[in-house]
Amino acid sequence: GENVEQHPSTLSVQEGDSAVIKCTYSDSASNYFPWYKQELGKRPQLIIDIRSNVGEKKDQRIAVTLNKTAKHFSLHITETQPEDSAVYFCAASIQAGNQFYFGTGTSLTVIP
Amino acid sequence: EPEVTQTPSHQVTQMGQEVILRCVPISNHLYFYWYRQILGQKVEFLVSFYNNEISEKSEIFDDQFSVERPDGSNFTLKIRSTKLEDSAMYFCASSADLETQYFGPGTRLLVL
Repeated sequence: GENVEQHPSTLSVQEGDSAVIKCTYSDSASNYFPWYKQELGKRPQLIIDIRSNVGEKKDQRIAVTLNKTAKHFSLHITETQPEDSAVYFCAASIQAGNQFYFGTGTSLTVIP
Repeated sequence: EPEVTQTPSHQVTQMGQEVILRCVPISNHLYFYWYRQILGQKVEFLVSFYNNEISEKSEIFDDQFSVERPDGSNFTLKIRSTKLEDSAMYFCASSADLETQYFGPGTRLLVL
């Protein structure tokens, strides 16, 4: 089955700096890649997603890039704020409706 | 904004006991999922459910697990005879479009 690796496991940045989290996947058939943000004690919240027919997607300070050839995708957060502090999970899905394969998560801390 | 809800938020049980975890998906969603997250590990898929039957299940979802949609709103996960290693956070998710999955707040299960 699919295997998703995520790096780094922890990331600390100064407020205002950018943060980048990277994920790789193993199955070239994967075609949907969501990113979830999970604040302490709260549910995972979808923040952005990308489909395999798109190379980049942006939503305000958040962007995701996908390199299908290399089988990796990345989350970029610009102008980070303390409220961006959370655990971020990447995921991959091989077929619509199928399970999500999650990465191990990145704990992001934005230092004021 | 509609959200997936789960009850209870916490459940403590003795090894060998049966537990039922309950979820109320978003009302117009047709696809339902259960995931679990053992402390410090990645989120793992258990099962997906559509049209009153299991669509996909993982190796974790053995004969001790079952799912049911007993009425038009609830979606339950039953563990017949809990083991210590079943201790985890269990997340329910639902989807309207076979891609975006919305997660509930989770039930933290502790098996003693």
